[in-house]
Amino acid sequence: LAKTTQPISMDSYEGQEVNITCSHNNIATNDYITWYQQFPSQGPRFIIQGYKTKVTNEVASLFIPADRKSSTLSLPRVSLSDTAVYYCLVARRNNFNKFYFGSGTKLNVKP
Amino acid sequence: EAEVAQSPRYKITEKSQAVAFWCDPISGHATLYWYRQILGQGPELLVQFQDESVVDDSQLPKDRFSAERLKGVDSTLKIQPAELGDSAMYLCASSLPGQGNTEAFFGQGTRLTVV
Repeated sequence: LAKTTQPISMDSYEGQEVNITCSHNNIATNDYITWYQQFPSQGPRFIIQGYKTKVTNEVASLFIPADRKSSTLSLPRVSLSDTAVYYCLVARRNNFNKFYFGSGTKLNVKP
Repeated sequence: EAEVAQSPRYKITEKSQAVAFWCDPISGHATLYWYRQILGQGPELLVQFQDESVVDDSQLPKDRFSAERLKGVDSTLKIQPAELGDSAMYLCASSLPGQGNTEAFFGQGTRLTVV
């Protein structure tokens, strides 16, 4: 599966929009891009997935350019409770979904 | 809301002892994963089951770790003997694989401390 690269950490302030970019240069045709959120001492939680273009749900938006070699997770108007680690994964979509996590991006939201 | 159940939440064991973790996935989820997460790092996939069959255990240290899912429902991960470097969070996850679905549901994890 394609390796992902994302910033180690980011700082933001409450009320701002946060964009976290992930690169996955070797993504394959059958791969989906998936993002997870993890709070300390908890298991990761699924946020959003996409294949191409833009996907939006009640929590976030995911932007994927045509070449699919990168993706951007957008969190609108973050709050202190959004302080967490965010993982970008490339998941192979088939009967045996495989999820490999990288190091993630530690987002620190300040008041 | 259905959840992945794991027990125990915390475990302290001495080096060279045996330790076991239990996971009950969401009902109907055929795929079950065990991950190990060392503090400050991302989760590392140890083993993946599809029903009762192992489909990926390439990262499982097989000399000391074993995993089973006998009836294709709940699962047990065992370490024998435990080493100091095994101190980590052990996470279980399950998913309902299907076309276009890459969502896995994680349990709260078991925090293992080896002393």
